[in-house]
Amino acid sequence: AQTVTQSQPEMSVQEAETVTLSCTYDTSESDYYLFWYKQPPSRQMILVIRQEAYKQQNATENRFSVNFQKAAKSFSLKISDSQLGDAAMYFCAYRSAIPRVGEAGGTSYGKLTFGQGTILTVHP
Amino acid sequence: EPEVTQTPSHQVTQMGQEVILRCVPISNHLYFYWYRQILGQKVEFLVSFYNNEISEKSEIFDDQFSVERPDGSNFTLKIRSTKLEDSAMYFCASSRTRQQPQHFGDGTRLSIL
Repeated sequence: AQTVTQSQPEMSVQEAETVTLSCTYDTSESDYYLFWYKQPPSRQMILVIRQEAYKQQNATENRFSVNFQKAAKSFSLKISDSQLGDAAMYFCAYRSAIPRVGEAGGTSYGKLTFGQGTILTVHP
Repeated sequence: EPEVTQTPSHQVTQMGQEVILRCVPISNHLYFYWYRQILGQKVEFLVSFYNNEISEKSEIFDDQFSVERPDGSNFTLKIRSTKLEDSAMYFCASSRTRQQPQHFGDGTRLSIL
């Protein structure tokens, strides 16, 4: 089974500065997706960025970028020019790209496995 | 932008009672999921649903749980006889294809007394 670990329960950053959130994962699969989701106090989980494991190039989305190290099974999120609105809980998540027989006997269609989350505080 | 909608936002129920949590996935999405998050813990997968049947479920999703897509728009999670440990935030998610990212609703906070 896959596991995702976020070793930083809390992080803080000054507005306009850069912060990096860590994530490691364990899998025996070679084809998968990795995600960072943001959960602000309003509760809805919002996709921040996604990385396909077969792509060597690190994904970027405006001020958000990842450092994907497949051999090390590491997937960190860098937030540049931090803004007050970036304050939230951030979850790293893994999803297999390979259809397989699920526990219910049907084909598994990509459940997400989440890390424990990192609370990011942004100081003005 | 289309959203996943969940109702109610907060449900308070007596232990032993049945509860139904409702979700309206994004209209052209085909894959549906339920997750839960016990306070202070990680988000956990419960069940996935495709083509009108469960495709995968976790060990949490025991006989007390069931899911249904009663019509073309709603996706429900039923807990038959609630326990104190069912208190959690329940999230519904959907995706258009298996490869595309899942979109989450705001969640339903379930409190069991």
